[in-house]
Amino acid sequence: EVQLVQSGAEVKKPGKSMKISCKGSGYTFTDYWIAWVRQMPGKGLEWMGIIYPSDSDTRYSPSFQGQVTISADKSFNTAYLQWSSLKASDSAVYYCARLPNTAAYFDYWGQGTPVTVSS
Amino acid sequence: SYSLTQSPSASVAPGQTAKMTCRGDNFEPKSVHWYQQRPGQAPVLVVYDDSDRPSGIPDRFSGSNSGNMATLTISRVEAGDEAAYYCQVWDISSGHWVFGGGTKLTVL
Repeated sequence: EVQLVQSGAEVKKPGKSMKISCKGSGYTFTDYWIAWVRQMPGKGLEWMGIIYPSDSDTRYSPSFQGQVTISADKSFNTAYLQWSSLKASDSAVYYCARLPNTAAYFDYWGQGTPVTVSS
Repeated sequence: SYSLTQSPSASVAPGQTAKMTCRGDNFEPKSVHWYQQRPGQAPVLVVYDDSDRPSGIPDRFSGSNSGNMATLTISRVEAGDEAAYYCQVWDISSGHWVFGGGTKLTVL
């Protein structure tokens, strides 16, 4: 069974750093892209970026370029999303999602990681 | 940048048919994909490549794509279909993935 299991909810203060994770199982992790998607409270889905764990090829949405870093460790079948200095506006639920190599849609999603940034 | 437009809300009585649209410039040759997101849950793929359904998705869900508009149709609507529905494309010119703003479907 394909699963993407994300790390738990986070509460952080502005200016702090943070790294959340997404662990894949039930499939060959290096054969699929992993994307990150933001959902702000009461709002829609926003594509942030995507990584191919096999070679760490990474693309970012212009809206998030320079704001976050996406990485992956294929030894642990895990992708990561990190911030160096959080802002209150980073408060959202973050989802990881799998993209089949020859497709343009996300076929499996993680359960989401709620992030709250507040002083 | 490329954008997709969806109506913010729609409502339908149980047993009836719900149709939700997604508009963008020059859909072809883009394929359109649809996700269902129930309150408090992660999105689920319900239609991909305009009209295909993943395994486990009921055939009450169907999709079409013509010109600048794609449509998600839910037949024989059930209370459990109440959710937000998002369309999505991959914009070949930018290499970016784009979501529509979502349509919140209310089952009366």
